[in-house]
Amino acid sequence: DVKVTQSSRYLVKRTGEKVFLECVQDMDHENMFWYRQDPGLGLRLIYFSYDVKMKEKGDIPEGYSVSREKKERFSLILESASTNQTSMYLCASSFYPGGGDEQFFGPGTRLTVL
Amino acid sequence: AQKITQTQPGMFVQEKEAVTLDCTYDTSDPSYGLFWYKQPSSGEMIFLIYQGSYDQQNATEGRYSLNFQKARKSANLVISASQLGDSAMYFCAMREGRRGNTPLVFGKGTRLSVIA
Repeated sequence: DVKVTQSSRYLVKRTGEKVFLECVQDMDHENMFWYRQDPGLGLRLIYFSYDVKMKEKGDIPEGYSVSREKKERFSLILESASTNQTSMYLCASSFYPGGGDEQFFGPGTRLTVL
Repeated sequence: AQKITQTQPGMFVQEKEAVTLDCTYDTSDPSYGLFWYKQPSSGEMIFLIYQGSYDQQNATEGRYSLNFQKARKSANLVISASQLGDSAMYFCAMREGRRGNTPLVFGKGTRLSVIA
């Protein structure tokens, strides 16, 4: 079974702190994605990566950066956390090239910024 | 314009009844895929079913089927014989193009509540 793990289920940080959210997948997937989920807004793509050291902006990249130094690991970085970044963060991975390949999701990190 | 529209924020269904969750999509790409995910209260996203734009038959997976009407750009999820464990958020999503590294675009979701 594909496993996507995220470093924390719950995280509380203060405004202005630098925050790292880690995601690791164990199935050698090329593609990795970071979404945030807010009530009434569904899932919105922040960044994605289709190869090591490659990254692409999603729909809402402002205030975030990412790092992918190894194939299995994709990190989301909040350089200076703000209260409007309080949200559920979901990491996903998928295998390329199949268009029908679903994305496998991690359990999510619920981040609260005070 | 929204690419994925789920018009039902919430729905109720009686246990053992069938329920249809609506999804319409918008794309000009002739090649695309449609996905449905379930998110229980625990938060994990569970893949349910996939339909490719060139698939002739409607996709089915156990109690889940996808009612694909290409001309109307709709991809409704049908759950037969609802169970209490089906209570969850349900998201429709689309991938445009044939490349698997294109991200999914999600709708805002429908919260389904199954009543005993």
